[in-house]
Amino acid sequence: EPEVTQTPSHQVTQMGQEVILRCVPISNHLYFYWYRQILGQKVEFLVSFYNNEISEKSEIFDDQFSVERPDGSNFTLKIRSTKLEDSAMYFCASTGIMNTEAFFGQGTRLTVV
Amino acid sequence: AQSVTQPDIHITVSEGASLELRCNYSYGATPYLFWYVQSPGQGLQLLLKYFSGDTLVQGIKGFEAEFKRSQSSFNLRKPSVHWSDAAEYFCAVGAYNTDKLIFGTGTRLQVFP
Repeated sequence: EPEVTQTPSHQVTQMGQEVILRCVPISNHLYFYWYRQILGQKVEFLVSFYNNEISEKSEIFDDQFSVERPDGSNFTLKIRSTKLEDSAMYFCASTGIMNTEAFFGQGTRLTVV
Repeated sequence: AQSVTQPDIHITVSEGASLELRCNYSYGATPYLFWYVQSPGQGLQLLLKYFSGDTLVQGIKGFEAEFKRSQSSFNLRKPSVHWSDAAEYFCAVGAYNTDKLIFGTGTRLQVFP
């Protein structure tokens, strides 16, 4: 069964450093998303991406965040200068042409120290 | 604004007992409704979804959910819980005019033998 894969599964970084979280969505999907889940809290929408541009973003997704689909298969989330409060589980998701069912990856746990 | 409420943070049941996890949503029009499950260290797996039509929807792993417009609810049920059902369950709402999903805070299910 096709699945969304995310790497790495866990990343530890120092405050102020840049991190790139990587995702490989399901191959024929067209819509891509990043969500995050701070420990003990609910899953929150960050950004959606379609046709090589951001289609929607939340208030969380400020100038420190960016997304890119560099090569037609990967979908990345970059945090330019990490803060302690960026520590969370980050989930990538994708949906197909009908945009009805989001498939989620296993998540990347980001720890900022 | 759209919102999802899961009133029960933690539920404990005995194996073989029936289960009902509550979900209430707030949305002006007919929402798209989802239940996801997250096992420890895993991503989010879709259990079932409701878009329209029959208000009782069947999902994977023996789960079902019923959409009740009058109560703005989409409760998840299972007649007989298995130990492997222990996980975190998230209700989510989407809409036709937005890409994002709004998640509830989740209900942690514990199953005792």
